[in-house]
Amino acid sequence: QKEVEQDPGPLSVPEGAIVSLNCTYSNSAFQYFMWYRQYSRKGPELLMYTYSSGNKEDGRFTAQVDKSSKYISLFIRDSQPSDSATYLCAMSPAGAGYSSASKIIFGSGTRLSIRP
Amino acid sequence: EAGVVQSPRYKIIEKKQPVAFWCNPISGHNTLYWYLQNLGQGPELLIRYENEEAVDDSQLPKDRFSAERLKGVDSTLKIQPAELGDSAVYLCASSLDGLAVTDTQYFGPGTRLTVL
Repeated sequence: QKEVEQDPGPLSVPEGAIVSLNCTYSNSAFQYFMWYRQYSRKGPELLMYTYSSGNKEDGRFTAQVDKSSKYISLFIRDSQPSDSATYLCAMSPAGAGYSSASKIIFGSGTRLSIRP
Repeated sequence: EAGVVQSPRYKIIEKKQPVAFWCNPISGHNTLYWYLQNLGQGPELLIRYENEEAVDDSQLPKDRFSAERLKGVDSTLKIQPAELGDSAVYLCASSLDGLAVTDTQYFGPGTRLTVL
């Protein structure tokens, strides 16, 4: 079993819809949770990060972490065709003394397509 | 500001041939990462450098892979000899200070390797 599980999709929704992307994980040491966006033929770029549990909002994007369920989500409101990409969740342990920046574990990514 | 630069962007070689990838990180970034991304998967860390020191190379297959970061700036990743299973995208990333868990990693566009 992988440490991080993510539905590969593809997920296709009409423009303007609310998109929900999810990941589950098994390592309870994870405390730092990230979402990356990767366009075709490009490297991943960091969208948002969240430390521990809770919600974080940035424009049309909201990240949620539920550590009790080991479940994280990314919501995209008013989705646009330019949001079409692969979305990768990623996570790592945190704490003083960890060289944790290198221990990022990525999900396999969900391909998202927004139809005009 | 220029991002992470990688070359070549694409490489096709015959199996058993050697191949090398080059990465120039963002200016001022001390930490450099090499990742492997297979089709439909998330990136997996191969090696991490803090300046010129390799501080995490536990996932690097040392029988055929080698890396160097002379003078703590540019880096080269080499495979010798290449095998069919090495076909993948090789991503380079850099960050300001890899010891901080909130340190953002910036990815290059990757080198897509095809081994025939």
